[in-house]
Amino acid sequence: AQSVTQLGSHVSVSEGALVLLRCNYSSSVPPYLFWYVQYPNQGLQLLLKYTSAATLVKGINGFEAEFKKSETSFHLTKPSAHMSDAAEYFCAVSDGGGATNKLIFGTGTLLAVQP
Amino acid sequence: KAGVTQTPRYLIKTRGQQVTLSCSPISGHRSVSWYQQTPGQGLQFLFEYFSETQRNKGNFPGRFSGRQFSNSRSEMNVSTLELGDSALYLCASSLGDASSYEQYFGPGTRLTVT
Repeated sequence: AQSVTQLGSHVSVSEGALVLLRCNYSSSVPPYLFWYVQYPNQGLQLLLKYTSAATLVKGINGFEAEFKKSETSFHLTKPSAHMSDAAEYFCAVSDGGGATNKLIFGTGTLLAVQP
Repeated sequence: KAGVTQTPRYLIKTRGQQVTLSCSPISGHRSVSWYQQTPGQGLQFLFEYFSETQRNKGNFPGRFSGRQFSNSRSEMNVSTLELGDSALYLCASSLGDASSYEQYFGPGTRLTVT
């Protein structure tokens, strides 16, 4: 069964510093992987997705993620943090590849950006 | 294009009551999924509907049910509410076929059970 693990429930960076949020997945089939962001009192917004095309995926707001099969990882990065990036980030894996849209989420990483 | 809408945004109910939440997907999307988000359990999949049929179901008791209408709008119902049902309920819509895997989430309904 598919699963995702997010290392670090809280990450704090300074404004302008590199953001690195870690996600490792477990899947018996080629996975479809996603990163979502959630701002307080809001739903989830899709940042980017990996669906077996390019291994380096670019998303919105300057975020990108690299799919590494050998490491079963899909870490999210952003070269320079902005105050508006403060939010909770969720990594997810699709459990069905078209037959169903069920998403399995990690436990989330709360990103704080210090001025 | 309008996003996913959920109504109501906030609800306060008493233990033992029942509640119905509504979700309107993005136009053209045929799949609607529901998730429960709590601080303790995180984001958990409830069920998915595609073309008015339940396509997948999570590990929740039978008190949680849903349905989808011919216009793809979906409702979920929780009967005999328990304190532990207090959560943010998120609805997500997608095309639902193998051509697209993205799901787009609504703002959620915050349910408080007292």
